[in-house]
Amino acid sequence: AQSVTQLDSQVPVFEEAPVELRCNYSSSVSVYLFWYVQYPNQGLQLLLKYLSGSTLVESINGFEAEFNKSQTSFHLRKPSVHISDTAEYFCAVRRSQGNLIFGKGTKLSVKP
Amino acid sequence: DAMVIQNPRYQVTQFGKPVTLSCSQTLNHNVMYWYQQKSSQAPKLLFHYYDKDFNNEADTPDNFQSRRPNTSFCFLDIRSPGLGDAAMYLCATSSVNNEQFFGPGTRLTVL
Repeated sequence: AQSVTQLDSQVPVFEEAPVELRCNYSSSVSVYLFWYVQYPNQGLQLLLKYLSGSTLVESINGFEAEFNKSQTSFHLRKPSVHISDTAEYFCAVRRSQGNLIFGKGTKLSVKP
Repeated sequence: DAMVIQNPRYQVTQFGKPVTLSCSQTLNHNVMYWYQQKSSQAPKLLFHYYDKDFNNEADTPDNFQSRRPNTSFCFLDIRSPGLGDAAMYLCATSSVNNEQFFGPGTRLTVL
């Protein structure tokens, strides 16, 4: 069975500092991995995805994630965060049926 | 812009009173999903439609039903809401084997 583990439930960080949100997955089949961001009282927005090809994927707002098959990880990173990055971040793996299995989420809190 | 729309954004119902949440999409995707997200938890899939084929998750309570009258619309019916059904309900769509697009969600309060 596929599963996703997000090791940190909350990550506080100061503005302009780097951040890493950790995600590990378990899957016996080919994986498709996603990071979604959720702002308060809103739905989920796709941040970036890994389907195949280059193991380093980037989003338009400075986030990147690297698929590491040997470590079964897909950690999300940003070299310099902004106050506006404060949100909850969900890592997800796609099941063969097409739906997503989500991790429990990491709340990123960026402080001035 | 193509999008996933959920109405209403906030719904209040009484214990045991049936309630319907709606989702519509302009993306023409053939797959639609309903997720339940309780406070500070991950979204959990309730069921999904692949075109008209309904796929229920094994642990989705019978209290939850769904209808998809056409490609664009999908409804979530809660027949007898309990206090434990208070949550954010998220609708998502996708074309086969592609990423999912989520609506803004409906926050359900049960009094």
